[in-house]
Amino acid sequence: NAGVTQTPKFQVLKTGQSMTLQCAQDMNHEYMSWYRQDPGMGLRLIHYSVGAGITDQGEVPNGYNVSRSTTEDFPLRLLSAAPSQTSVYFCASRTRTGVVNTGELFFGEGSRLTVL
Amino acid sequence: QQPVQSPQAVILREGEDAVINCSSSKALYSVHWYRQKHGEAPVFLMILLKGGEQKGHEKISASFNEKKQQSSLYLTASQLSYSGTYFCGTVPTTDSWGKLQFGAGTQVVVTP
Repeated sequence: NAGVTQTPKFQVLKTGQSMTLQCAQDMNHEYMSWYRQDPGMGLRLIHYSVGAGITDQGEVPNGYNVSRSTTEDFPLRLLSAAPSQTSVYFCASRTRTGVVNTGELFFGEGSRLTVL
Repeated sequence: QQPVQSPQAVILREGEDAVINCSSSKALYSVHWYRQKHGEAPVFLMILLKGGEQKGHEKISASFNEKKQQSSLYLTASQLSYSGTYFCGTVPTTDSWGKLQFGAGTQVVVTP
């Protein structure tokens, strides 16, 4: 098992460019999510999905789009990158254990994005 | 709204104890604790559920006071390997099960 795989690990963009951060998991997890991590801010939830075809917004969704066409993949799209989106992005997944969130999150290694 | 963690940072000598606090303005169903080493991904430590027991991991344990909407993480007889940033995550009782929100983190440095 590879776990949660994120690509690319590093990316530099110019303001206004678009890109997609890829996330794939091979654990058959129903739940997947994207977080961004900034100094002093901790981990902030961008978007999440509870299954294929179902997505919802987290705390900081503006400027990001997601889709979930398969159980394995959950890409994060930046349509028009801004310097404020410079951050480290983590994808995480877990199995669905009951109605309420009680499961361990498995994180990818992170993608460091710089927007100039 | 993110949970609030305190202190922001703590420096310990090997063998000393420390407490990290996490509080929320909302009624909570569960509190989650993770540790992140520099340059790595966060790693799960434990989950505390409403009405559940105090949990432990190695010499790291935690408690959950539902009435006060607070959780505390106890680092006992700290080891060098305990260094890292500790995050608490919370799930409100009124929120969907997908929204696990993390605090800003507490940086722990354990020195020889």
